[in-house]
Amino acid sequence: EVQLLESGGALVQPGGSLRVSCAASGFTFGSYAMSWVRQAPGKGLEWVSTISGGGGSTHFADSVKGRFTISRDSSKNTVYLQMNSLRAEDTALYYCARRNSAMMGFFFDYWGQGTLVTVSS
Amino acid sequence: QSVLTQPPSVSGAPGQRVTMSCTGNRSNIGAGYDVHWYQQLPGTAPKVLIYGNTNRPSGVPDRFSGAKSGTSGSLAITGLQTEDEADYYCQSYDSTLSRVVFGGGTKLTV
Repeated sequence: EVQLLESGGALVQPGGSLRVSCAASGFTFGSYAMSWVRQAPGKGLEWVSTISGGGGSTHFADSVKGRFTISRDSSKNTVYLQMNSLRAEDTALYYCARRNSAMMGFFFDYWGQGTLVTVSS
Repeated sequence: QSVLTQPPSVSGAPGQRVTMSCTGNRSNIGAGYDVHWYQQLPGTAPKVLIYGNTNRPSGVPDRFSGAKSGTSGSLAITGLQTEDEADYYCQSYDSTLSRVVFGGGTKLTV
């Protein structure tokens, strides 16, 4: 059974940093790209970042580019999102999701339960 | 402002059929990229409902169906049940933005 378990969410002051993690199990971790998708309170879904299965390719939304980094540790089957220079508008529930390929494009076939990041003074 | 446009809300009575739309442009759905649909029940994580325009993952009832035409996708739900009350999001890929894009979501009230 595929499982994604996020952790590390917290209350952080504006300008601060935080690292959230996603522990994966139930599938061959290195065979899949992994993504972070966030949802601000009462709002819709926003793709944040994706890392390739091997970790050599990363992509970021414009809203976080230069502030967030994504990485993965194949020995721990874990993907990380390092968030720096946090802003109030980064407040959201951060979901880890497994990316799968469609005939044309990508979709997210498994999601974690989310970890809450609150940026406030 | 979401790249994909969805109606904010739709409603229907139990047993009825409802449809919801997802409108894009020539850089995403119109460029041939697939449309995918997610169901988000209250207080839970999104779950894929339809992928690749028309495909249902195992476990998703055949009351749910997807279609795509031109620059739009659509989700139909037949035999509405109260437990279908949820937010529904469409998703595709945009070649101009070079990223995954979501619709703003449609709240279904049964």
